[in-house]
Amino acid sequence: KAGVTQTPRYLIKTRGQQVTLSCSPISGHRSVSWYQQTPGQGLQFLFEYFSETQRNKGNFPGRFSGRQFSNSRSEMNVSTLELGDSALYLCASRFLGLAGLNTGELFFGEGSRLTVL
Amino acid sequence: KQEVTQIPAALSVPEGENLVLNCSFTDSAIYNLQWFRQDPGKGLTSLLLIQSSQREQTSGRLNASLDKSSGRSTLYIAASQPGDSATYLCALRTSGSRLTFGEGTQLTVNP
Repeated sequence: KAGVTQTPRYLIKTRGQQVTLSCSPISGHRSVSWYQQTPGQGLQFLFEYFSETQRNKGNFPGRFSGRQFSNSRSEMNVSTLELGDSALYLCASRFLGLAGLNTGELFFGEGSRLTVL
Repeated sequence: KQEVTQIPAALSVPEGENLVLNCSFTDSAIYNLQWFRQDPGKGLTSLLLIQSSQREQTSGRLNASLDKSSGRSTLYIAASQPGDSATYLCALRTSGSRLTFGEGTQLTVNP
């Protein structure tokens, strides 16, 4: 069973540009959430999607947005990039289903390393 | 607001030692607690999940406990090996897929 897949793994952008990151969850997982990891702030929750709707949102500016497709794949977009957006962006998926099978465990991908110059 | 603290921030031990990593939190209203491992430049690997109603979970050489009344969790690693060297993170799930993470404990196991 394939894990959470994130693309691209590495990318370099300049200030003012925008970036789109992609995440394919574990097969059968309908919830996808995104996290930002930086040395200064640690791991912070960005947002969660399931059933193609944003369900939960962290404390990030509107430049950070996301969406989810009908096959549960998700993308996140950061517009007007700033130097401080340099980070490892991690995607996680979670199974949503019958209570007895839904442990609430999150599974993470390898991340997309964004460098903003 | 949930706050999570991990002590120590870094730990260096000789191979074969048993060790304990600590995680404390301020709000006991949680769904579950997860311990993760992160190797440099990599994503997070889930090690153990403890539901809010549980006291401990075990997997191989790892044992995690949860005491909601005191706001504490511990991760016990038995007979440590150099391959255990990594950063260990605890995270509490409070709603949906929102996890609140500690800053992590960087573990080095010396051969």
